[in-house]
Amino acid sequence: SAVISQKPSRDICQRGTSLTIQCQVDSQVTMMFWYRQQPGQSLTLIATANQGSEATYESGFVIDKFPISRPNLTFSTLTVSNMSPEDSSIYLCSVWLVNTEAFFGQGTRLTVV
Amino acid sequence: TQLLEQSPQFLSIQEGENLTVYCNSSSVFSSLQWYRQEPGEGPVLLVTVVTGGEVKKLKRLTFQFGDARKDSSLHITAAQPGDTGLYLCAGVGGGSNYKLTFGKGTLLTVNP
Repeated sequence: SAVISQKPSRDICQRGTSLTIQCQVDSQVTMMFWYRQQPGQSLTLIATANQGSEATYESGFVIDKFPISRPNLTFSTLTVSNMSPEDSSIYLCSVWLVNTEAFFGQGTRLTVV
Repeated sequence: TQLLEQSPQFLSIQEGENLTVYCNSSSVFSSLQWYRQEPGEGPVLLVTVVTGGEVKKLKRLTFQFGDARKDSSLHITAAQPGDTGLYLCAGVGGGSNYKLTFGKGTLLTVNP
């Protein structure tokens, strides 16, 4: 199994500012994933973060808005830039252990005012 | 784009009742997973179904994967208040991507 710690667990931010979310895993993993879960909605994949290369973004998400770092095999950050109220969501990081299952952090609940 | 349609979106039942949640797609997935998410937490895996026609049981929960590997169902027998939560189905695309496609989720409330 994998234990994933996300920080912060929640934050209230002013529009126009940026927030960086940290994700720490207790084991080395090749791929880490960032999801967004809007209120009452399911999870939407933002990007896949691989160590040593640029993140791969899904349709509708761009690097300028959601820059991602992946400095090593146990850590990643997601920044939500120039925030607006529409960015209010839960942001979750996730990892796969090969051929088993996806593990998720507890999420970061972001409110933009 | 692979899409998963999940129904119903909301379900409120009394303790002891049975229920079924459906997950349908026009695409074939290499496997399908069911997750349960509680408020303030990330989703937690309940089961993975891989083979067409497969049925898996987890105590009072029964999961079925359609023969064509495009749909799945979750049946809960004698629901309890502890079953309350958001149930998500997720299709696994296969290959080396390990990308999950999630359904919209079913918010289940079991009233005592």
